[in-house]
Amino acid sequence: DTGVSQNPRHKITKRGQNVTFRCDPISEHNRLYWYRQTLGQGPEFLTYFQNEAQLEKSRLLSDRFSAERPKGSFSTLEIQRTEQGDSAMYLCASSFNGRGTDTQYFGPGTRLTVL
Amino acid sequence: DAKTTQPPSMDCAEGRAANLPCNHSTISGNEYVYWYRQIHSQGPQYIIHGLKNNETNEMASLIITEDRKSSTLILPHATLRDTAVYYCIVRVPYSGGGADGLTFGKGTHLIIQP
Repeated sequence: DTGVSQNPRHKITKRGQNVTFRCDPISEHNRLYWYRQTLGQGPEFLTYFQNEAQLEKSRLLSDRFSAERPKGSFSTLEIQRTEQGDSAMYLCASSFNGRGTDTQYFGPGTRLTVL
Repeated sequence: DAKTTQPPSMDCAEGRAANLPCNHSTISGNEYVYWYRQIHSQGPQYIIHGLKNNETNEMASLIITEDRKSSTLILPHATLRDTAVYYCIVRVPYSGGGADGLTFGKGTHLIIQP
């Protein structure tokens, strides 16, 4: 399967701990997006990368959140000092800009539970 | 905020065509209509997109009205596995400048009845 992959699929942590999620995009996709989805809501955009450059951040991305894509391939999303309100599904998507209409393809998500 | 309006839920009998409507009355000339679906606890799955012409692929057909203010996603022969939340999204595909992420509304919860 050459789709978007995310690890871990599930993460349970205690309030105040730091967590890191990883996303591996579809090979050769140069754009990578992070979204967050809470129960009963549609996904909400957090940030995206074009290659290794982070080009946009949503106001939802507080200072406790940081994302990187150091070599323009995989990306990590770190949440510091987790809060119960951070409990959500974190989704990653990738696309190829430069051909067609830049369709985003999503991974299976990482479900975070903060106790 | 999402620029689309969809019914919150719909039912369809297995084997019948499921027709999911979407209103996007403020759509701009360069905005495409995209459809995704999300099966419980999975990531959104891309279905189809279009600008103004009707589109068909192996999953579905997309019918866009001539004035582009609404569209319908058609699943020709619905199965139980098509039960999911379906999202209609309008956006300008990246064209060299800055680009936003997708803006999801609450979608339509389609339930396929056996």
